[in-house]
Amino acid sequence: GAGVSQTPSNKVTEKGKYVELRCDPISGHTALYWYRQSLGQGPEFLIYFQGTGAADDSGLPNDRFFAVRPEGSVSTLKIQRTERGDSAVYLCASSPGQGMVYGYTFGSGTRLTVV
Amino acid sequence: AQTVTQSQPEMSVQEAETVTLSCTYDTSESDYYLFWYKQPPSRQMILVIRQEAYKQQNATENRFSVNFQKAAKSFSLKISDSQLGDAAMYFCAYRSGEGGGADGLTFGKGTHLIIQP
Repeated sequence: GAGVSQTPSNKVTEKGKYVELRCDPISGHTALYWYRQSLGQGPEFLIYFQGTGAADDSGLPNDRFFAVRPEGSVSTLKIQRTERGDSAVYLCASSPGQGMVYGYTFGSGTRLTVV
Repeated sequence: AQTVTQSQPEMSVQEAETVTLSCTYDTSESDYYLFWYKQPPSRQMILVIRQEAYKQQNATENRFSVNFQKAAKSFSLKISDSQLGDAAMYFCAYRSGEGGGADGLTFGKGTHLIIQP
């Protein structure tokens, strides 16, 4: 596609529920990144994929968070047993290669609200 | 770990005037990249300008320029001839230039820029 697409745009869920957030990167971009942006903060790195594999998952806060990218294109961020503190905007970005060289293109994010 | 500090939560400037947004960072690395991103209400992060630490010359993109002071670990953004469309959140970000699998950005907390007509 022309840009990075994230769905849904907004998601409201109840505490304890499971959610999936989807990111569709620019076609051909091998690198994909997830960030979490809490209210009043800058984005915080979660995980980076190069192709199908997670090259760096050091930002995932705990084992309730998991992300996959099975075919090297679309990625899904999965959050189990959601907590109110998980409420944030989840941003996805992609790059043709290493972002520092080729640049990062961001999507418009999914606003997750846990009630 | 690297940290990025933006000490101005909010800045206001008259249209057509010049404004400077501050950013400092803490790192023990010598090779890295610095970025300024703009985030309008649409939430999409848009690259404004980038600077490679090994380059002494300050980056410039039209009305946007940076003052990169490597020894002071300072990376300020100057916006000249401010326009109403410049109103947004601005984030400073750091990316390590060292090898390995990491390719994520470390962001500051942001500065909310208001343009007064």
